[in-house]
Amino acid sequence: QVQLVQSGAEVKKPGASVKVSCKASGYTFTAYAIHWVRQAPGQRLEWVGWINSANDNAKYARKFQGRVSITRDTSANTAYMELSRLRSGDTALYYCARDYYDGSGYYYWDFWGQGTLVTVSS
Amino acid sequence: DIVLTQSPGTLSLSPGERATLSCRASQSVVSTYLAWFRQKPGQAPSLLIYGVSNRAPGIPDRFSGSGSGTDFTLTIDRLEPEDFAVYYCQQYGSSSWTFGQGTKVEIK
Repeated sequence: QVQLVQSGAEVKKPGASVKVSCKASGYTFTAYAIHWVRQAPGQRLEWVGWINSANDNAKYARKFQGRVSITRDTSANTAYMELSRLRSGDTALYYCARDYYDGSGYYYWDFWGQGTLVTVSS
Repeated sequence: DIVLTQSPGTLSLSPGERATLSCRASQSVVSTYLAWFRQKPGQAPSLLIYGVSNRAPGIPDRFSGSGSGTDFTLTIDRLEPEDFAVYYCQQYGSSSWTFGQGTKVEIK
């Protein structure tokens, strides 16, 4: 069965960096892209960026350009999201999600990780 | 970025009733990329509908989606206890994904 398992909660100080992992199992990792989104308390879901798991090509939301890096390790079936220069507003639950292509023109996010809470506090 | 506005913010209904949720976009959305998710407390969002009206695998037919252009609707017939949750619409356009702010369906 498809699973995305994320790393555990993190507490960081302002200005630091955090790296969250998302380990995939139950499918061919390189067949589907992985997205990262976050959900701050009381806020809507916010797309951070995504990575083509096959060719390592990553794209980011404008808001996070220059501060985020999404990578993957095919030998470990794992995607990573690193966010730098953290501030209090980055406190949120971060999720990874698989972008599935059904072969008939539709892409959709069918499996999600359990979420990783990142707390930024001095 | 395309902004999605959902209404109402909260819907108070009883089990067995019908829920009608709205999602309005600031610009026309490509139908292929309009989806709905349900988020139960303490859980990650889960896919209900993709491509405006296609139910995700395992989703019962009491969930239906419709709409085009800038106006989309999620209808839930005969609310079950597990349906009392928060619902988000999502779209992809101009190389960016955005979500609505959510509609909470609560027990009346």
